[in-house]
Amino acid sequence: EVQLEESGGGWVQPGRSLRLSCAASGFTFDDYAMHWVRQAPGKGLEWVSGITWDGDDRGYADSVRGRFIISRDNAKNSLHLQMNSLRAEDTALYYCAKGESSGYYSWPDTWGQGTLVTVSS
Amino acid sequence: QSVLTQPPSASGTPGQRVTISCSGSSSNIGSNFVYWYQQLPGTAPKLLIFRNNQRPSGVPDRFSGSKSGTSASLAISGLRSEEEANYYCAAWDDSLGGWVFGGGTKLTVL
Repeated sequence: EVQLEESGGGWVQPGRSLRLSCAASGFTFDDYAMHWVRQAPGKGLEWVSGITWDGDDRGYADSVRGRFIISRDNAKNSLHLQMNSLRAEDTALYYCAKGESSGYYSWPDTWGQGTLVTVSS
Repeated sequence: QSVLTQPPSASGTPGQRVTISCSGSSSNIGSNFVYWYQQLPGTAPKLLIFRNNQRPSGVPDRFSGSKSGTSASLAISGLRSEEEANYYCAAWDDSLGGWVFGGGTKLTVL
């Protein structure tokens, strides 16, 4: 069974940084792309970033490009999101999701339970 | 605003058939597959439909998807009370180089 467990969320002041992690199990991690998708309180889903199976190619939403960095450690079956220069509008529940295949153009097919990030002074 | 447009709400009675629409453009729905997710209250999204009309194993055949041009729709027949949830459409956008979602439709079972 695919399991994705996010961690690293919390409260942070605007302008500061935070690093999210996602521990994956139940599948061959380095065969699949991975995604981060967020959901602001009471709002809809927003794709944040995706990374190919080997980490060689990454994509970002315009709203986070230049501030967030996605990475993965296939040896440790883990996905990360380094979030810098955080803004109030980054406040959201951040989901880790597995892609259906190796490229991040593959759809998110299984999601974790999310980790909450709150950006506030 | 979301790139894909969905009605904010829909409703139906148990046993009824309801449809939820999703409208996009040539760079997303018009040239790529559409996906649908169900998000029950307080839970993570779950894949309901992939590649326009395919169901993952375990999803009842009461759920069906279709696409025409730059629009898509999700149909639920034999509506059940436990299917009261938010439903989201999604597609890859060639211009943006990423995934785009609809704003979500809150389905109420009366």
